[in-house]
Amino acid sequence: SQQGEEDPQALSIQEGENATMNCSYKTSINNLQWYRQNSGRGLVHLILIRSNEREKHSGRLRVTLDTSKKSSSLLITASRAADTASYFCATAPLLGNEKLTFGTGTRLTIIP
Amino acid sequence: DAGVTQSPTHLIKTRGQHVTLRCSPISGHKSVSWYQQVLGQGPQFIFQYYEKEERGRGNFPDRFSARQFPNYSSELNVNALLLGDSALYLCASSWGQRIDTQYFGPGTRLTVL
Repeated sequence: SQQGEEDPQALSIQEGENATMNCSYKTSINNLQWYRQNSGRGLVHLILIRSNEREKHSGRLRVTLDTSKKSSSLLITASRAADTASYFCATAPLLGNEKLTFGTGTRLTIIP
Repeated sequence: DAGVTQSPTHLIKTRGQHVTLRCSPISGHKSVSWYQQVLGQGPQFIFQYYEKEERGRGNFPDRFSARQFPNYSSELNVNALLLGDSALYLCASSWGQRIDTQYFGPGTRLTVL
């Protein structure tokens, strides 16, 4: 079963604008990761944030984590057409099976 | 360095048949995980293998099995295929057993008719 949900399910913005996606999860985590997927192909790792971190940056990406609310957000600044893809959050549990549990994904479309 | 490779890229089978999917991890990576992604959903965890032993299993029936070889490559086997097994099967590798950054292969698209 899915761990949680991404919000929104779909997002269309103009090139150059910022895109924000949210992720909620249900159980205690060791870390939370964001992945990108183009057209049903393999997933590309974007960024990992650990449970004791609150914010992390990588290039045009900014991720926040609020463990008290069991939520995370991914901000992509100055979007480009090449950012068009599906974005998934995935959580690694604090205890139990060593596995990633993925959310339902946000489909991002950048309009040139 | 080569990334994670999977074969075949696409596969068409009929109900009741058996299928074997293959994965080669990044050189030096000892952990391989398998995921199933049904169209429109996020990937779901099937198995993790580390140092040739099963370390985790998701909520999938016994028709699904896997193994890891001494060179750390892996096979996923699915018996008695059902229409609902149609999906993209993803393999991911990482260095250790702990689930940090996963490196995914391009996937195998399985269609069951």
